[in-house]
Amino acid sequence: GAGVSQSPSNKVTEKGKDVELRCDPISGHTALYWYRQSLGQGLEFLIYFQGNSAPDKSGLPSDRFSAERTGGSVSTLTIQRTQQEDSAVYLCASSLIGTGADQPQHFGDGTRLSIL
Amino acid sequence: KQEVTQIPAALSVPEGENLVLNCSFTDSAIYNLQWFRQDPGKGLTSLLLIQSSQREQTSGRLNASLDKSSGRSTLYIAASQPGDSATYLCAVRGRGGSEKLVFGKGTKLTVNP
Repeated sequence: GAGVSQSPSNKVTEKGKDVELRCDPISGHTALYWYRQSLGQGLEFLIYFQGNSAPDKSGLPSDRFSAERTGGSVSTLTIQRTQQEDSAVYLCASSLIGTGADQPQHFGDGTRLSIL
Repeated sequence: KQEVTQIPAALSVPEGENLVLNCSFTDSAIYNLQWFRQDPGKGLTSLLLIQSSQREQTSGRLNASLDKSSGRSTLYIAASQPGDSATYLCAVRGRGGSEKLVFGKGTKLTVNP
């Protein structure tokens, strides 16, 4: 597809379970970002990938959160032992880097995660 | 730590009115500033990106300005339409090698027919 694709669009799970969220960036975009959008908190940065490496993971809230990116394309955000405060919309974005000009970040529609 | 504030949090206007959304940021050492639109249940759509060296950008009925020294940006929407109803988010990218965006909490705009 032409845009950033995220799956699943909705996920409901029980507290304590692990979840995996997937992001397919726009083809050719070398940079990939994960953000979290919570009620009352706004959009918060989680992690940034350039290729397969993550030079900035400063926004990951705890060691229960991890992310990886393979082949410079698809990324997976994993949350272990989910807690109710993890309930949020998780947004993925991608952009071109190194073109000599600023490029906007393009966002997917997000995964709405609900922890019961 | 960079903080981004958007005022007002919500705005309701009649169709056809020109309007201004405000964004302020605490650290003027920014690389660029972006305005986004978010429709309910959807992701973000990039509207305008202003480089730190620029003063404004225009796209159709939208005009965004940037005053880096005072830490302010405005998004001007001309001749508003009901289809403009959405939440508008402002985000800044800081200098120092970080690629992340720091977002405001948005202004929810309702344009009434």
